[in-house]
Amino acid sequence: DAKTTQPTSMDCAEGRAANLPCNHSTISGNEYVYWYRQIHSQGPQYIIHGLKNNETNEMASLIITEDRKSSTLILPHATLRDTAVYYCIVRLPSPSGSARQLTFGSGTQLTVLP
Amino acid sequence: NAGVTQTPKFQVLKTGQSMTLQCAQDMNHEYMSWYRQDPGMGLRLIHYSVGAGITDQGEVPNGYNVSRSTTEDFPLRLLSAAPSQTSVYFCASTKTGGHNEQFFGPGTRLTVL
Repeated sequence: DAKTTQPTSMDCAEGRAANLPCNHSTISGNEYVYWYRQIHSQGPQYIIHGLKNNETNEMASLIITEDRKSSTLILPHATLRDTAVYYCIVRLPSPSGSARQLTFGSGTQLTVLP
Repeated sequence: NAGVTQTPKFQVLKTGQSMTLQCAQDMNHEYMSWYRQDPGMGLRLIHYSVGAGITDQGEVPNGYNVSRSTTEDFPLRLLSAAPSQTSVYFCASTKTGGHNEQFFGPGTRLTVL
């Protein structure tokens, strides 16, 4: 799995967009970018994943640069409940019949301020 | 669906005691795994299973045993608890293949005195 680098912490005002960056300069052509988050004392929660096109779901948007060496997770209207540690993970999809591990780094502590 | 459930939520053990952390899922997922999370750190994989009767070691397996007799259940056994095993333990499950989004349980907070 490619190594990822994320800022240790970020603040965001409630109601504003939260933009969380992730560097993955050694990403290979078939590796995907996955985002999970962990709200305090809870288990991690899947947010979104992408290969090279921008992706959007009900939780967030994922913007991947054209060279795929970095990406940004966007929470369009952050709420206090979005305060959590956000993990960017790069890995290959799993072959049929198996599951690749998730390697969690330190992540980014996002604090949404009232 | 209840998703992934873990019991107990909290546990205090004395050094040398043994216990089993329970994990169950009702999503018919083939893959299940156990992670531990120490304060201020990311999750580390202990053991995992790709199906009933099949288990394998993760990054930090020492001091833990697992078994997988059914698709639904994946218990984690601490053979002789040590203070270094004080941690929060998370169980996760996923389908195999593809992007296999992992679903995590609420965690068990274990303290070993």
